Order: sequence, then C-alpha cells, then structure tokens
Amino acid sequence: QKEVEQDPGPLSVPEGAIVSLNCTYSNSAFQYFMWYRQYSRKGPELLMYTYSSGNKEDGRFTAQVDKSSKYISLFIRDSQPSDSATYLCAMSDLRGNNDMRFGAGTRLTVKP
Amino acid sequence: DAGVIQSPRHEVTEMGQEVTLRCKPISGHNSLFWYRQTMMRGLELLIYFNNNVPIDDSGMPEDRFSAKMPNASFSTLKIQPSEPRDSAVYFCASSLGQTAEAFFGQGTRLTVV
Repeated sequence: QKEVEQDPGPLSVPEGAIVSLNCTYSNSAFQYFMWYRQYSRKGPELLMYTYSSGNKEDGRFTAQVDKSSKYISLFIRDSQPSDSATYLCAMSDLRGNNDMRFGAGTRLTVKP
Repeated sequence: DAGVIQSPRHEVTEMGQEVTLRCKPISGHNSLFWYRQTMMRGLELLIYFNNNVPIDDSGMPEDRFSAKMPNASFSTLKIQPSEPRDSAVYFCASSLGQTAEAFFGQGTRLTVV
C-alpha cells in the first residue's frame, strides 16, 4: 500500500462547477499537508498549505484535512478553464521539503 | 527573478550513454532538491542539498546516479550508464531554508532508448 493514495482521474467538469479532489494516506504521523498545481510541461507550484486538521480557504480554493480519517480534500469553486492542470497532494511529518510524500496527481480539465 | 532554470528541457539518449542534467537554483536559496516524476511512481525525491552539501541521497536509485553542487548557483545530476527505465521527467527545486516553499524548475524530460 502506498503511503499516499490519489485517484489519477482524469476528471472533466464544465466551467463553473465545484471540483473536489481527494487524497488518503496511511501514515498517522503526517501533519503538514500541501496541494500543488502542475500545468502541462511545467513544474509543480505550491497552491495551498495546511497544518494539522481543519480548513483553509484562499479565494476559490479550500483545503480540508481530516486526520481522524486520514483524508484530505481540495475544493475548487466556480472552476475556470485556467484551472485545468494536474493537482498533486503532498504531506509530511516534519516541515522539511525533503520529507514530502506526493500523491500520483489528479488530472483536471475544466471545459468552457 | 527567472526562477529555477534547468537544462536541457529534453534529452534523448541511447542506453549506456552518460547523461548530465543541470540546474541553476533561485539566487539566495540555500536548499536544492532533485526529483524524478514518472507515471508509475509519481514524484520522488532523489537527493537534496543544504548549503551545497548533500544531506540525504537515500532516494538515489542506484550507483549509476550521482549529483553534485559545486557552488550555490549550480547543480548537476548525472546518470552513467543510462538505462531505458531511467526515462522520466527530472525536476530541480530550490528553497530558502529546508522548510520554506520550494520552487520547481520546468523539468528535463529524459528518454533513454
């Protein structure tokens, strides 16, 4: 079993839809949770970062962490074609970038 | 700032050849990371440097892989000899300190035939 599981999709939604992206994990020591966005032929870029459980909102994006279920989510409201990308979850027990474990990434397409 | 710069963007080589990937981190950043991304295994950390010193190379798959950072503005990842299973996208990332946000380069797409 992988430490971090993420459905690779692909996921296709119409513009304006609410998108839900999810990851599950097995290591209960994880306490730092990140979402990266990766456009085609580009490197990942940090989108959201949360510590421990709870919600964090940034514009149209909301990150949720449920440590009891070992489950994290990223919600995108009013999705736009420019949101079309691969979204990778990442998590670690320590804050170091070297400790991050990445999900496989979910490929999202938002159709106009 | 131009961000993390990697070269070449694409590399096609024959099995057994030596391959060298290059990375210029963001000026002022003191942590540098090399990752490999494949469909099967996703994004994996190969090695990271702090202040030009290799700290953890446990992700390096085998002795055919080596990485150097001779100064704060340059790093290389070398594969010798290369094999078809090394085909992947290799990313370099840098950060100001180990815990700050890491910025990724655009990657080098390596194909070994």
